[in-house]
Amino acid sequence: KQEVTQIPAALSVPEGENLVLNCSFTDSAIYNLQWFRQDPGKGLTSLLLIQSSQREQTSGRLNASLDKSSGRSTLYIAASQPGDSATYLCAVRPVISSGSARQLTFGSGTQLTVLP
Amino acid sequence: GAGVSQTPSNKVTEKGKYVELRCDPISGHTALYWYRQSLGQGPEFLIYFQGTGAADDSGLPNDRFFAVRPEGSVSTLKIQRTERGDSAVYLCASSSTRLADNEQFFGPGTRLTVL
Repeated sequence: KQEVTQIPAALSVPEGENLVLNCSFTDSAIYNLQWFRQDPGKGLTSLLLIQSSQREQTSGRLNASLDKSSGRSTLYIAASQPGDSATYLCAVRPVISSGSARQLTFGSGTQLTVLP
Repeated sequence: GAGVSQTPSNKVTEKGKYVELRCDPISGHTALYWYRQSLGQGPEFLIYFQGTGAADDSGLPNDRFFAVRPEGSVSTLKIQRTERGDSAVYLCASSSTRLADNEQFFGPGTRLTVL
């Protein structure tokens, strides 16, 4: 059974700092990995999706990397801003071998606070 | 619509009551997923629809939970004889299986509180 772990559970940084969030997964047979942002009381907003054949994806100040063989992904946030404060979740999707097994397995998230 | 919508946004009910939660996926998305998120945890998979049929319901915790998608668009998650442990945020997501990455797009969720 796939297990996804995110460390740290919470992180507080001053504005302007660069930071890295970590995600690890136990089964390397993944189809893709997604990073999401969740604001309090809200749904999930997809930030980046990395296919299993890719090493990284970039969007603005965000860069996500994937090392499938070691079961790790990182989300790098450059020049953090107070508006980046949210919970960041990573999720993996298994290799699609049939009509099923398309669901995502999530980590518990990292709660990020960027202090002004 | 522009995104996945869910109604109601909040639902408070008493233990033992029946509830229905509704999900409107992105137009044209054939795949629909239900997840449940408890406080401080990531979402956990409940059920996945491909069209009208439930392709995978292995995440439903017990037979009090049931979901339908009769016309391949809107889905309803039904919970019978609710228990306090059912309190959580219920999230719906949809994706287009025509796209290679099958990215899932999430709705805002329904916060269910069972008193």
